[in-house]
Amino acid sequence: ELKVEQNPLFLSMQEGKNYTIYCNYSTTSDRLYWYRQDPGKSLESLFVLLSNGAVKQEGRLMASLDTKARLSTLHITAAVHDLSATYFCARPGGNQFYFGTGTSLTVIP
Amino acid sequence: GAGVSQTPSNKVTEKGKYVELRCDPISGHTALYWYRQSLGQGPEFLIYFQGTGAADDSGLPNDRFFAVRPEGSVSTLKIQRTERGDSAVYLCASSSTRTSGVFYFGPGTRLTVT
Repeated sequence: ELKVEQNPLFLSMQEGKNYTIYCNYSTTSDRLYWYRQDPGKSLESLFVLLSNGAVKQEGRLMASLDTKARLSTLHITAAVHDLSATYFCARPGGNQFYFGTGTSLTVIP
Repeated sequence: GAGVSQTPSNKVTEKGKYVELRCDPISGHTALYWYRQSLGQGPEFLIYFQGTGAADDSGLPNDRFFAVRPEGSVSTLKIQRTERGDSAVYLCASSSTRTSGVFYFGPGTRLTVT
């Protein structure tokens, strides 16, 4: 069974700090996607990682993919309040995407 | 250009009633997906359309759920004899191979069955 697991599920961090969210998946994939969801809103695409070793950066967020370890990370640098949201990783499989359970991030001033 | 739109944004219905949820994908996107998201969970796959046909409906929980996309654009998710457990946010997404398979999600329809 294909599984996508994220940790932590909940993350509370102070502004200015760094942290990493982890996404593990159970079977090999050369693609991994990250989405952001604000409360009551839909999902917004953040990163598309298309190969082993891929690294993408946008502002204070950086995502990477290690297909051999079946692991993707989302690193937050010098967090700001605007980053508070739920972050999902998703792995394609067959005709669908399999989403992780999400990491709810709260950045405290 | 316009993104994925869904109507209604909220739907409250009584147990046992029939509901229809509509999705209007991004123009030109041939792939359309329905997902369901329960509180505190990630989206769960329901059904995938490529053009007019349902290419994969393996995520539909039971035969009370049905979806159509008659002209390869707008899709309607239909739920018969609704149950309280059907309460969730129903998300529609569309994608194109030109966008590396990225899903573009609509705002969702929050369904509440009382």
